Amino acid sequence: GAGVSQTPSNKVTEKGKYVELRCDPISGHTALYWYRQSLGQGPEFLIYFQGTGAADDSGLPNDRFFAVRPEGSVSTLKIQRTERGDSAVYLCASSLAATDTQYFGPGTRLTVL
Amino acid sequence: ILNVEQSPQSLHVQEGDSTNFTCSFPSSNFYALHWYRWETAKSPEALFVMTLNGDEKKKGRISATLNTKEGYSYLYIKGSQPEDSATYLCAFNPGTYKYIFGTGTRLKVLA
Repeated sequence: GAGVSQTPSNKVTEKGKYVELRCDPISGHTALYWYRQSLGQGPEFLIYFQGTGAADDSGLPNDRFFAVRPEGSVSTLKIQRTERGDSAVYLCASSLAATDTQYFGPGTRLTVL
Repeated sequence: ILNVEQSPQSLHVQEGDSTNFTCSFPSSNFYALHWYRWETAKSPEALFVMTLNGDEKKKGRISATLNTKEGYSYLYIKGSQPEDSATYLCAFNPGTYKYIFGTGTRLKVLA
């Protein structure tokens, strides 16, 4: 079956611009997560959705970051007024339930010039 | 702050060599330890979920062990092949959805 997909695979933008990153989870997975991997670091938790609601957004670095999952399937991570420090690989994962193994997409590499 | 460390950061081995690397994690609040293999431009692939102290799991030429009392897990690759080249990530799960990842071990197998 299809795994987690993410689009775009690469995104280059200029400082101050707005970007949207999309995640399409495995069908039937109610739990969805976003992580960010900065250079030289491991992936760090950003936000967790259970169904349509953000159950935990404590990892979002500031209010420029926002994520939605309006129908409980596809999720979009939105970053306003991008900064060079936002450059990273953004990973999405999904699982059947919150304590089950998380399955990852290939990530979106965001570069802010 | 929960800290997960992996060593070495990177290594190069010759085809046919066996290798191993380490993941260290907090010994308290342990629920599970996950190993992932992440090849460039692909999705991280789930290799193992380790839950019980003393667990040993195997998948082909790759195996992993777990010691929850002292807080470490080893990943072994027997007879490394060029297709094993990847970053190997471990993730500590304290019983929540917030995985805590190490920085990974980047393995390069030379033909």
